[in-house]
Amino acid sequence: QVQVVESGGGVVQPGGSLRLSCEASGFTFINYAMHWVRQAPGKGLEWVAHVKTDGNVKWYADSVKGRFTISRDNSKNTVYLQLNSLRVEDSAVYYCAKDGGNWNIDHWGQGTLVTVSS
Amino acid sequence: QTVVTQEPSFSVSPGETVTLTCGLSSGSVSTSSYPSWYQQTPGQAPRTLIYSTNIRSSGVPDRFSGSILGNKAALTITGAQADDECDYYCMLYMGGGIWMFGGGTKLTVL
Repeated sequence: QVQVVESGGGVVQPGGSLRLSCEASGFTFINYAMHWVRQAPGKGLEWVAHVKTDGNVKWYADSVKGRFTISRDNSKNTVYLQLNSLRVEDSAVYYCAKDGGNWNIDHWGQGTLVTVSS
Repeated sequence: QTVVTQEPSFSVSPGETVTLTCGLSSGSVSTSSYPSWYQQTPGQAPRTLIYSTNIRSSGVPDRFSGSILGNKAALTITGAQADDECDYYCMLYMGGGIWMFGGGTKLTVL
């Protein structure tokens, strides 16, 4: 069955960096775009970034543009999110999610927690 | 900046029907927004319920349905059950490679 498993979360100081990874299985990874979505504690979902199948087209929410970079390695069935210049307000559970092919998300990971704190 | 709007909270009695909506602070939601709906219980990852306005995701009971009502997307739960009590989020494709979630609706079944 489809699985996406995130890793790489942790505690980092403001201004620091972190790289999140998401390993996918159970589907033909190269055929599907991927998303990252985050959820701050007690808050709603926020779409963060999207990468198309070949990794060359990437889109970002305004709140992270210029600071976060999404990428993928189709040989490893893995998508990444590089988080730079982190702010306290970036603290959240970060979910990796598989695009369903209809401008939607169809499968979600369990999330990885990022805490930005001094 | 356009915002996706949802009712912050809604209450329904067991067995009754409830319709949650998803709108835009400026403009109308149409099928071209590819509205999708997600269910989330506390401490858990979201679960996909509906995509492309009205297509149920695999394994989702048919008492969940999606539609466009007027200028909003809608999620209707027919015969609400106690375990439907959780948060519901809509997501819209805004164009230009941007998606946006609504603020979510906390559904209470009592």
